[in-house]
Amino acid sequence: SAVISQKPSRDICQRGTSLTIQCQVDSQVTMMFWYRQQPGQSLTLIATANQGSEATYESGFVIDKFPISRPNLTFSTLTVSNLSPEDSSIYLCSVKTGGYSPLHFGNGTRLTVT
Amino acid sequence: AQSVSQHNHHVILSEAASLELGCNYSYGGTVNLFWYVQYPGQHLQLLLKYFSGDPLVKGIKGFEAEFIKSKFSFNLRKPSVQWSDTAEYFCAATGGGNKLTFGTGTQLKVEL
Repeated sequence: SAVISQKPSRDICQRGTSLTIQCQVDSQVTMMFWYRQQPGQSLTLIATANQGSEATYESGFVIDKFPISRPNLTFSTLTVSNLSPEDSSIYLCSVKTGGYSPLHFGNGTRLTVT
Repeated sequence: AQSVSQHNHHVILSEAASLELGCNYSYGGTVNLFWYVQYPGQHLQLLLKYFSGDPLVKGIKGFEAEFIKSKFSFNLRKPSVQWSDTAEYFCAATGGGNKLTFGTGTQLKVEL
């Protein structure tokens, strides 16, 4: 398994600002993903963070709103831009350590937008 | 479209009661199935997974799940729950790729 450190654990941000979330893994992993868990809802995949290339976004998510960086095999960032109250959610980093491995999750970042 | 359904949103049980949480999926072809648990204030943890082979899968903490292909189901069971099992449980599936589709979760509360 992998140990995933996600920062910050929570934040309160004002409308119109941005928040960057960091995800650090204790080992090199090929697959890193960013999920969102809105209040009372399940987890939704935002994008796959690809090392050395642009992230692959799911339907309904765009790079301008959720820019992602993946400079190496152990680190990624997700920025949530131009925040609105609808962005209040838990954002989770997850990794896959092998072809048949399950996803491992970080502790998540609880974002509240005021 | 691929989907995962969990029909029980809130379950309340007394300690020592038996647990069964329903999960149905809608996938064509190969399916890999998972149950995750999120204890209060903690991150998602894998309880068990099914890729192939024996359809009765045993996981951590006494949990098990049975893959019934004809019913498109992967229900989670535990013969005797404990207060410490209070948590939210998520069923998830993937069609062999990397995109995991989650159910809406079941909040389990175990009372002493």
